[in-house]
Amino acid sequence: EADIYQTPRYLVIGTGKKITLECSQTMGHDKMYWYQQDPGMELHLIHYSYGVNSTEKGDLSSESTVSRIRTEHFPLTLESARPSHTSQYLCASSDWSLTNSPLHFGNGTRLTVT
Amino acid sequence: GENVEQHPSTLSVQEGDSAVIKCTYSDSASNYFPWYKQELGKRPQLIIDIRSNVGEKKDQRIAVTLNKTAKHFSLHITETQPEDSAVYFCAAKTSGTYKYIFGTGTRLKVLA
Repeated sequence: EADIYQTPRYLVIGTGKKITLECSQTMGHDKMYWYQQDPGMELHLIHYSYGVNSTEKGDLSSESTVSRIRTEHFPLTLESARPSHTSQYLCASSDWSLTNSPLHFGNGTRLTVT
Repeated sequence: GENVEQHPSTLSVQEGDSAVIKCTYSDSASNYFPWYKQELGKRPQLIIDIRSNVGEKKDQRIAVTLNKTAKHFSLHITETQPEDSAVYFCAAKTSGTYKYIFGTGTRLKVLA
């Protein structure tokens, strides 16, 4: 089934560790996004990508980095995790070729940094 | 910069009553307005959307209305049920741009 997949679903990690949150979509969408969201609260855009080899920072300053080497894959990396990074990270994608172009979200990764 | 204001932040209604959530956007070039429902612990899911060339759209118990002149749009849920309890987000997007501007969310509680 075409969808957007995120792994891991939950991650507890110690301060200073490097982590990569995985995001893959099988919908063939060219636009992909990362949002940070404390549960039930506002969505903050931290990164987006127009397509392969195109990445931009979003509105919320973030110490994370992203890459887009393949259309379907958009991983997010934290070089050195800190307790302030504790949050939920949602990956999303959209298809601008459609007249209506909603965002499709993954199930999220809930990150806890101890 | 562009923003979307969403009200109310919390809303409690009795089962069977109607619920209305309102959003106001600032960018007059915005032309696409989706609404998302996020249940506890789950991802935001699109429930209805509307483009700027349409004034109203309905899907069973859910409807969205758009007033381009006033730059606001609203979500209407009729005959509410306990499973409608969730956080609802409105958003606005301008054609050709990457950005979806989200509202701050409305926590809807339907009391049985």
